[in-house]
Amino acid sequence: DIVLTQSPALAVSLGQRATISCRASQSVSTSSYNLMHWYQQKPGQQPKLLIYDASNLASSIPARFSGSGSGTDFTLTINPVQADDIATYYCQQSRELPLTFGSGTKLEIK
Amino acid sequence: AVQLVESGGGLVQPGKSLKLSCSASGFTFSSYGMHWIRQAPGKGLDWVAYISSSSGTVYADAVKERFTISRDNAKNTLYLQLNSLKSEDTAIYYCARSFRYYFDYWGQGVMVTVSS
Repeated sequence: DIVLTQSPALAVSLGQRATISCRASQSVSTSSYNLMHWYQQKPGQQPKLLIYDASNLASSIPARFSGSGSGTDFTLTINPVQADDIATYYCQQSRELPLTFGSGTKLEIK
Repeated sequence: AVQLVESGGGLVQPGKSLKLSCSASGFTFSSYGMHWIRQAPGKGLDWVAYISSSSGTVYADAVKERFTISRDNAKNTLYLQLNSLKSEDTAIYYCARSFRYYFDYWGQGVMVTVSS
């Protein structure tokens, strides 16, 4: 199985940049796609798709969210961070079955 | 708008069975693969099972031989039959629409508690 590693938590000040990383145990890229996706989950809510294929913004997601990376290293950036962004962020790979998620990074306000 | 609504959760004893449903609307259900994903209390997300638009299925090892995913396209409904339940199956179960094996829409989730 592909293991995705995320830091447990990140504290940032409002208006600053947040950078959340996800490292895969093996490449999740093909010749056509970088098969890493990002989700936001607020307390008591279902997850919501933010970024697909590493860098594509999902529908209705604000442009302050962006994604980058290829191979085994991927990053979700939120700039500037707003109070509404307090949530846990998960990466997920679709390169291989079983589909796997990172353990999540909890974004906190400093 | 795309809407997914789960139902059928509850408290069940170890070794018993439960059947979850996910009612879909706002899109052509028969054209999409669908997933079940679960989240144990206070924990992260775990993919459970997938069914393609043509009803091919794939399962996580932890639920293989115990859970069955199915669909009824006439009713726009996805199902998950949970058999031989264990305490470690306690979780919120989400259904999600598949787009190239990522999850573009999620239901609100349904709680399954396995306890004696």
